[in-house]
Amino acid sequence: EVQLLESGGGLVQPGGSLRLSCAASGFTFSNCVMSWVRQAPGKGLEWVSGIREGGGNTYYADSVKGRFTISRDNSKNTLYLQMNSLRAEDTAIYYCVKRITTYWAFDYWGQGTLVTVSS
Amino acid sequence: QSVLTQPPSASGTPGQRVTISCSGSSSNIGSYSINWYQHLPGTAPKLLIYNYNQRPSGVPDRLSGSKSGTSASLAISGLQSEDEADYYCAGWDESLNGVVFGGGTKLTVL
Repeated sequence: EVQLLESGGGLVQPGGSLRLSCAASGFTFSNCVMSWVRQAPGKGLEWVSGIREGGGNTYYADSVKGRFTISRDNSKNTLYLQMNSLRAEDTAIYYCVKRITTYWAFDYWGQGTLVTVSS
Repeated sequence: QSVLTQPPSASGTPGQRVTISCSGSSSNIGSYSINWYQHLPGTAPKLLIYNYNQRPSGVPDRLSGSKSGTSASLAISGLQSEDEADYYCAGWDESLNGVVFGGGTKLTVL
């Protein structure tokens, strides 16, 4: 059974940093493209970042480019999102998602971790 | 303002067929596959349709997807009360070099 378990969310002040982790199991993690998707309170879904199987290629939404860094450790089956210079508008539930093999479609989602940026 | 445009709301009665539209451009829907998700409050979103009209296992065939030019649609036939949820289209955008989501459509079953 595929499982994606996020951790690391919490309350942080504007300008602060936070690192999210996603522990994956039930599939060959090193063979899969992974992403982060978020949902701010009362808003729709927003893709944040993606990373290729080997970690060599990464992609970011313009809203987080230069502030967030996605990475992965295939030996630990874990995906990360380092978030720096956090803003109030980054407040959201962050989902770890697994991509289908060929298309940019996300077939498995974690339950999400809440990040709140507030003073 | 989302790159992919969806109506904010849609509605239907049980048993009816409803469609939700998603309008984009040549850099997304016109060139790449479009996918549809269902999101119920308090749960993780669920993939319903990928590559315009492919259903993951477990998704009933009363849900279907289509594409025409730079627009796509999700159709739900035999509407049921449990279909009441938010629906999102999404796909790759080559201009942005990333995935884009529509703003979402809230489906109400009357």
